[in-house]
Amino acid sequence: AQKITQTQPGMFVQEKEAVTLDCTYDTSDPSYGLFWYKQPSSGEMIFLIYQGSYDQQNATEGRYSLNFQKARKSANLVISASQLGDSAMYFCAMREGSGNQFYFGTGTSLTVIP
Amino acid sequence: ETGVTQSPTHLIKTRGQQVTLRCSSQSGHNTVSWYQQALGQGPQFIFQYYREEENGRGNFPPRFSGLQFPNYSSELNVNALELDDSALYLCASSTRGTGAYEQYFGPGTRLTVT
Repeated sequence: AQKITQTQPGMFVQEKEAVTLDCTYDTSDPSYGLFWYKQPSSGEMIFLIYQGSYDQQNATEGRYSLNFQKARKSANLVISASQLGDSAMYFCAMREGSGNQFYFGTGTSLTVIP
Repeated sequence: ETGVTQSPTHLIKTRGQQVTLRCSSQSGHNTVSWYQQALGQGPQFIFQYYREEENGRGNFPPRFSGLQFPNYSSELNVNALELDDSALYLCASSTRGTGAYEQYFGPGTRLTVT
């Protein structure tokens, strides 16, 4: 089974609107971390936001927030007030327990329309 | 604070050859992970190095090997290159034992095998 599933290959959003990128995960480890990264066409992976499995509140970082629904095993990224510079690939990732490996999804390509 | 750097940026090799990719970790980070990202896919974990030893490995054959040096920089070596090794190779650094969870990625090396 896939550890991380991103079901939206591509998304479009109007500038200044909010957008939600979906991510579901699969683990039996009670301790895990969930991450979102942005990858522009240049290739570098940029860390956006982190959510720990024991965190009571949803993580927020500026315009990014993580909608964490533990029972549903989902960790959706919400980008508010989209900007043209937000156009990129977005990857959801998970690390289990104190493990070393990050599991990545296949990504969602976001295009912000002026 | 110096970020993660990788060299070279691009590389073209012939099937059967050997290649060495280099990574300098972010200042203060003691752990380096390597990932392979094929076109249109998410990054796949190759291995991680901590205290100059391999500390976790993904589903990659032994012809993928690595080193970590006392200054925490790292090399990824791939022997007997195959066409399917063509990919973006990403290095990520992090700090173990501090409670920090994030990995910070370098810009990647794009390897083409012909």
